[in-house]
Amino acid sequence: AQSVTQPDIHITVSEGASLELRCNYSYGATPYLFWYVQSPGQGLQLLLKYFSGDTLVQGIKGFEAEFKRSQSSFNLRKPSVHWSDAAEYFCAVGDSGGGADGLTFGKGTHLIIQP
Amino acid sequence: DSGVTQTPKHLITATGQRVTLRCSPRSGDLSVYWYQQSLDQGLQFLIQYYNGEERAKGNILERFSAQQFPDLHSELNLSSLELGDSALYFCASSTAGIPYNEQFFGPGTRLTVL
Repeated sequence: AQSVTQPDIHITVSEGASLELRCNYSYGATPYLFWYVQSPGQGLQLLLKYFSGDTLVQGIKGFEAEFKRSQSSFNLRKPSVHWSDAAEYFCAVGDSGGGADGLTFGKGTHLIIQP
Repeated sequence: DSGVTQTPKHLITATGQRVTLRCSPRSGDLSVYWYQQSLDQGLQFLIQYYNGEERAKGNILERFSAQQFPDLHSELNLSSLELGDSALYFCASSTAGIPYNEQFFGPGTRLTVL
């Protein structure tokens, strides 16, 4: 069964500093990978996704992520964070084997922005 | 606004009771997914419907059931409620029943079981 690990429960970053959120997955084949963001009291919003092709994917709000098959990782990055980026970030994996299952999510990383 | 609506926003009930959560997908989306978000289990996929038919099951308890109606809205029924069922329940929809189509999430229904 597929699984997702987000090793950092909380991360604190100063406004304007760069950000990297880690995500490791377990899946037998090339997975479909996603990053979602959840602001307080809100639903989840898709930041970016990877299915195939270029391993560096660009998303909304200035985020990007890089798929590294050798490390089973899909880390999320942003060169300069804004106070509005404070939220919960979830990495997720989808079944690329033709199944129609829902997404498997990591436990999330809570991002705190210091002024 | 994702276009997915969920009602009610909050629900408070007692152990042993039964509740129904409702979800209206985005216009044109045929697939509906239900997820449960709790502090101890995180975000878990419960069940998926596609154009009225059950498509996939995740970690859904036998006390829980769902259906999708001809107008494509979906309901999640939770019965014999326990304290541990307190959670945020999300509905998501997508244009087709395959994972690489983006799932759009609703704002959720917060269920509190007392």
